[in-house]
Amino acid sequence: AQTVTQSQPEMSVQEAETVTLSCTYDTSENNYYLFWYKQPPSRQMILVIRQEAYKQQNATENRFSVNFQKAAKSFSLKISDSQLGDTAMYFCAFMKEDYTGANSKLTFGKGITLSVRP
Amino acid sequence: EAQVTQNPRYLITVTGKKLTVTCSQNMNHEYMSWYRQDPGLGLRQIYYSMNVEVTDKGDVPEGYKVSRKEKRNFPLILESPSPNQTSLYFCASNHIGGRTIYGYTFGSGTRLTVV
Repeated sequence: AQTVTQSQPEMSVQEAETVTLSCTYDTSENNYYLFWYKQPPSRQMILVIRQEAYKQQNATENRFSVNFQKAAKSFSLKISDSQLGDTAMYFCAFMKEDYTGANSKLTFGKGITLSVRP
Repeated sequence: EAQVTQNPRYLITVTGKKLTVTCSQNMNHEYMSWYRQDPGLGLRQIYYSMNVEVTDKGDVPEGYKVSRKEKRNFPLILESPSPNQTSLYFCASNHIGGRTIYGYTFGSGTRLTVV
């Protein structure tokens, strides 16, 4: 079974600064996907960024980028130029690659609450 | 607009009174799933379905039922709700097949309180 660990329950960052959220995972699979989801106070689950394990290049989406270390099973999220709207809970998630759908389960970490200070 | 629609958004009920939370998606996704979110525990899978009439238990299925009679709908049924089922519930869907995985599309969540 896969596990996802987010060891920091809360973080705070000053507006316009950079912050990194940590995530580690444990799996025996070689092919899988990793995700970061954002949950603002509205409760909506919003996909921030995703990474395919077979790709060595780190994914980037505007101000959001990841540092994917497959050997270390680490998947951290870096938010540059933090904005007040980035205040939210962030979840790291793992999905095994399985075309049959039998294992399309997303396994989530416990989440981290990020506060952006003005 | 591609979306997953959950209803209701808020629900307060009493112990033992059967309830159903509806979920519908308009993306023709094969895979649908229910999660519950609790503080300090993240999101945990309750049930999932790979296609019509194909459902299976997730990590925390006790006290819940599901059905998948149509591809677009995946209701969550609590036959006899108890206070420990007070939680935030999410329905999600996903396309199966191909190498590109975009992650789930989530509904807006249902805040359930059982008193």
